[in-house]
Amino acid sequence: AQSVTQPDIHITVSEGASLELRCNYSYGATPYLFWYVQSPGQGLQLLLKYFSGDTLVQGIKGFEAEFKRSQSSFNLRKPSVHWSDAAEYFCAVRSGGYQKVTFGTGTKLQVIP
Amino acid sequence: NAGVTQTPKFQVLKTGQSMTLQCAQDMNHNSMYWYRQDPGMGLRLIYYSASEGTTDKGEVPNGYNVSRLNKREFSLRLESAAPSQTSVYFCASSQGQGIDGYTFGSGTRLTVV
Repeated sequence: AQSVTQPDIHITVSEGASLELRCNYSYGATPYLFWYVQSPGQGLQLLLKYFSGDTLVQGIKGFEAEFKRSQSSFNLRKPSVHWSDAAEYFCAVRSGGYQKVTFGTGTKLQVIP
Repeated sequence: NAGVTQTPKFQVLKTGQSMTLQCAQDMNHNSMYWYRQDPGMGLRLIYYSASEGTTDKGEVPNGYNVSRLNKREFSLRLESAAPSQTSVYFCASSQGQGIDGYTFGSGTRLTVV
């Protein structure tokens, strides 16, 4: 069965610092990969997605993610974090049909001035 | 630009009471989903509807029923609420099987006492 691991439950970074959030997945083939962001009291918003092709994908709000097949990873990055990026981030993997989307448990990002 | 609208936003129920969570989308999406979000567990799929007139069980369907009323609306019903159903419920929609990701509503926070 597929699985998604976000090893960091909580991360704190200073405003202006770079950010990398980790995501590892377990699946036999290349899956569809997604990152979502959830602000407090809100639903999830799609940041970016990867299906195939260029392994570095750009998303909204200045985020990017890199797919590394050899490491089964899809890490989210941002060069310079803004206070408004404080939120919870979810990695998701789709390996099949409608019911085959698995979400990670999330990483909560705190940004300090 | 409403996207996915969920009502109510908050609800407190007594054990054994029933209620229906409403969801509507205005993006002409074919597929709709109900998820529950619990701390440390990510999002888990309760039910989904691939298209108007069809519904299928997800990972955690017990204690819930759904109705795809038309293409826009997908409701979730708790017939006899239990404390274990205390959670945040999210409705989502997608075009097709969701390979472009999902659009989420802002959630319903349900407490069962």
